[in-house]
Amino acid sequence: DVKVTQSSRYLVKRTGEKVFLECVQDMDHENMFWYRQDPGLGLRLIYFSYDVKMKEKGDIPEGYSVSREKKERFSLILESASTNQTSMYLCASSLRQASYTFGSGTRLTVV
Amino acid sequence: TQLLEQSPQFLSIQEGENLTVYCNSSSVFSSLQWYRQEPGEGPVLLVTVVTGGEVKKLKRLTFQFGDARKDSSLHITAAQPGDTGLYLCAGVGSGYALNFGKGTSLLVTP
Repeated sequence: DVKVTQSSRYLVKRTGEKVFLECVQDMDHENMFWYRQDPGLGLRLIYFSYDVKMKEKGDIPEGYSVSREKKERFSLILESASTNQTSMYLCASSLRQASYTFGSGTRLTVV
Repeated sequence: TQLLEQSPQFLSIQEGENLTVYCNSSSVFSSLQWYRQEPGEGPVLLVTVVTGGEVKKLKRLTFQFGDARKDSSLHITAAQPGDTGLYLCAGVGSGYALNFGKGTSLLVTP
């Protein structure tokens, strides 16, 4: 069964900390995505990558960066966590413009 | 970003009732996908519709893609508590990333 695995289901971090969210897929997909999901706002795209070492800003990249050193791994970095980054973070991968396979999500709380 | 509007935003019904969820846009999409998300989990693909006017059935779920490929609907017949979840539509445009609607939150009570 194909999978997208996010390293943590729940995280609690302090304001100002640097936070790493890891995502690994085993499907050899070219594209990987990071979204955040908030009530009433839906899924908002933070960053995506269409190849190793390639990255593109999504709709809300401010306060985030990403890294894709290997095809199967896409990391989201919160440079200095703030309370308004408390959210559910979803990673997804896809083959070209095909459907997404999502991870189970990481619920991040910044205190 | 190509916007997708979903309606209704919330829906609470009794088991056995029928319902329809709508997904509308002013943009044309090459295809449209429907996902269901259960609490605490990531969305899971239900179906992809590609051709204008296409109708696809998945057990009690019927999906339709508008003739102009700007809108879609999801109809559930005889809803069951297991249908409870957030239903998301997503459009494939010209870029790499899908455009998601904000979702319809469905609660089916026994």
